Amino acid sequence: QSALTQPASVSGSPGQSITISCTGTSSDVGGYNYVSWYQQHPGKAPKVMIYDVSERPSGVSNRFSGSKSGNTASLTISGLQAEDEADYYCCSYAGSSTYVFGTGTKVTVL
Amino acid sequence: EVQLVESGGGLVKPGGSLRVSCAASGFTFSNAWMTWVRQAPGKGLEWVGRIKSKTDGGTTDYAAPVKGRFTISRDDSKNTLYLQMDSLKTEDTAVYYCTTLSYGSLAYWGQGTLVTVSS
Repeated sequence: QSALTQPASVSGSPGQSITISCTGTSSDVGGYNYVSWYQQHPGKAPKVMIYDVSERPSGVSNRFSGSKSGNTASLTISGLQAEDEADYYCCSYAGSSTYVFGTGTKVTVL
Repeated sequence: EVQLVESGGGLVKPGGSLRVSCAASGFTFSNAWMTWVRQAPGKGLEWVGRIKSKTDGGTTDYAAPVKGRFTISRDDSKNTLYLQMDSLKTEDTAVYYCTTLSYGSLAYWGQGTLVTVSS
């Protein structure tokens, strides 16, 4: 199972919106609505930001939103803030009771 | 408050074995599906495997790189999840996290435990 493809880095100025893509195949992202997104600050454990493609856990800012089209899922961060600077990973169910993560994207707030 | 606390990491030689544990609290552990995720130093996240609750069969599934070498188990009486790692390779060096699994969401994570495989 190959890792899902994410851009290595995305940057934006405070207040701007950015979008991170996560490209897989019809066997993972395209085949199931079990895509989730995780934020990881340096030295910390990941934190779920979006699950089931577009659902937001309680306590997560509504500046974070998720979507999916075909084999590509996306995470959008609107109103970018300094605290959003972190690594972001997508994850998808890949069938046969397995999961696959994305390659990870470093978000930089300029 | 949900808490997951991993322990048991350390230095082990290639070909050796190690068991790491994850103590759970703040939720009904026996009903939870649990996973292990690892992260090699400076690298991305990698799904290792999953165990269902006993009421859902208690079955396990593993990622290809660890299948046949790693075993996930649980002791619901102790609210503890285990990862037995055998025939360890240098490429297994990573921080190992335990997480809860609910449908597609890894909702809660421990702080991780570092396993280093080196001679």
